[in-house]
Amino acid sequence: GPKVLQIPSHQIIDMGQMVTLNCDPVSNHLYFYWYKQILGQQMEFLVNFYNGKVMEKSKLFKDQFSVERPDGSYFTLKIQPTALEDSAVYFCASSLDWGGAGQNTLYFGAGTRLSVL
Amino acid sequence: GEQVEQRPPHLSVREGDSAVIICTYTDPNSYYFFWYKQEPGAGLQLLMKVFSSTEINEGQGFTVLLNKKDKQLSLNLTAAHPGDSAVYFCAVSRTNSAGNKLTFGIGTRVLVRP
Repeated sequence: GPKVLQIPSHQIIDMGQMVTLNCDPVSNHLYFYWYKQILGQQMEFLVNFYNGKVMEKSKLFKDQFSVERPDGSYFTLKIQPTALEDSAVYFCASSLDWGGAGQNTLYFGAGTRLSVL
Repeated sequence: GEQVEQRPPHLSVREGDSAVIICTYTDPNSYYFFWYKQEPGAGLQLLMKVFSSTEINEGQGFTVLLNKKDKQLSLNLTAAHPGDSAVYFCAVSRTNSAGNKLTFGIGTRVLVRP
């Protein structure tokens, strides 16, 4: 089936530094998402993105977070500066269409484990 | 907001036995329900999506039940085999959820022993 690739699978970074998580979504998909999963907790919605814009974000999407997809390349999540509480697995997803979730399928990547020291 | 409780967190079964995972949600406006499977090192694979108008759905080697009265969604792995070993997540979305915002359960790690 369609694949979403996330690079790297694991990233270790010192607190205060900037990090960029990369996602290669399904090629013809137009809608993109980031979810965050802290160890032992549920996966939680961070943000969705379409046509170059953030459509909706949760309270977890702090001011230090930003997303973009320049020129149809990787869909990225940038954290600047990082904090200890940003340590988590970040899952990227993409979908072909929008609207009622039941009419669409989100395809997820395997996640990037971010460790902030 | 929506709360989704998933249990059990871990499940170990013998090959050929069945395994049941249950998710309980709180929002009566929840309308779309999903089960995802995640194998080691891989992304989440959609097993099934269920609409509120359906109650019993059968897939290959599993059955999904939706009980709206009790706000429960269950996944029944029938005659489990080692390939079923994975982490399973339920996810729920509201009717007016623009943008596919899903609320996930915490996941169930299933181990199928030969």
